[in-house]
Amino acid sequence: SYELFQPLSVSVALGQTATFTCGGNNIGNKNVHWFRQKPGQAPMLVIYRVRNRPSGIPERFSGSNSENTATLTISGVQAGDEGVYFCQVWDSSAAVFGGGTKLTVL
Amino acid sequence: QVQLRQSGPGLVRPSQTLSLTCDISGDSVSSNSGTWTWIRQSPSRGLEWLGRTYYRSKWYNDYALSVKGRITISPDTSRNQFSLHLESVTPEDTAVYYCARVEDTIFDYWGQGSLVTVSS
Repeated sequence: SYELFQPLSVSVALGQTATFTCGGNNIGNKNVHWFRQKPGQAPMLVIYRVRNRPSGIPERFSGSNSENTATLTISGVQAGDEGVYFCQVWDSSAAVFGGGTKLTVL
Repeated sequence: QVQLRQSGPGLVRPSQTLSLTCDISGDSVSSNSGTWTWIRQSPSRGLEWLGRTYYRSKWYNDYALSVKGRITISPDTSRNQFSLHLESVTPEDTAVYYCARVEDTIFDYWGQGSLVTVSS
């Protein structure tokens, strides 16, 4: 079955750039979606189909995809960006989620 | 605005059946574009997609291999809701369960989550 690999944690100083990676076999050929989850809440969509922002998500959030790695970038990180970020793809009609990367803002 | 509201017991005995319901407002379970899914989350398994039901001139279901044979996801058109039934549960099925709508491959609306503990 298809697997997605994410680092456990990322720490970034306030105002700097946070980069999240999501590794998967030929993930560059897939539509990748990204979610943020805060404690006690359901995941919330922040990027869909690699690089598109839902309504309400600031331009600071961007995404890209290439070969075996998808990337989510948050520029000018704010305290409210803290949470766990998950990547997700579809494979053989089933949704697959990465293990999640926890963002800590210093 | 679509809203999903989950309900069901928070404690299930081992070997029994876990049952949860997701009430839909702002959309129809019989929509020809949305699919209605269940996902669970636990520290050991992370976010795990369990399956979906959807209507495209007739009803379809897809289930994760990890729970196939134990799971049923069914729509109730009269109540505009869909349900999850997971049979023969063990402590490994303890998790927070979410219902969600998927529109054009995107998980765009989620329920509030339901912690279900399997314990005697």
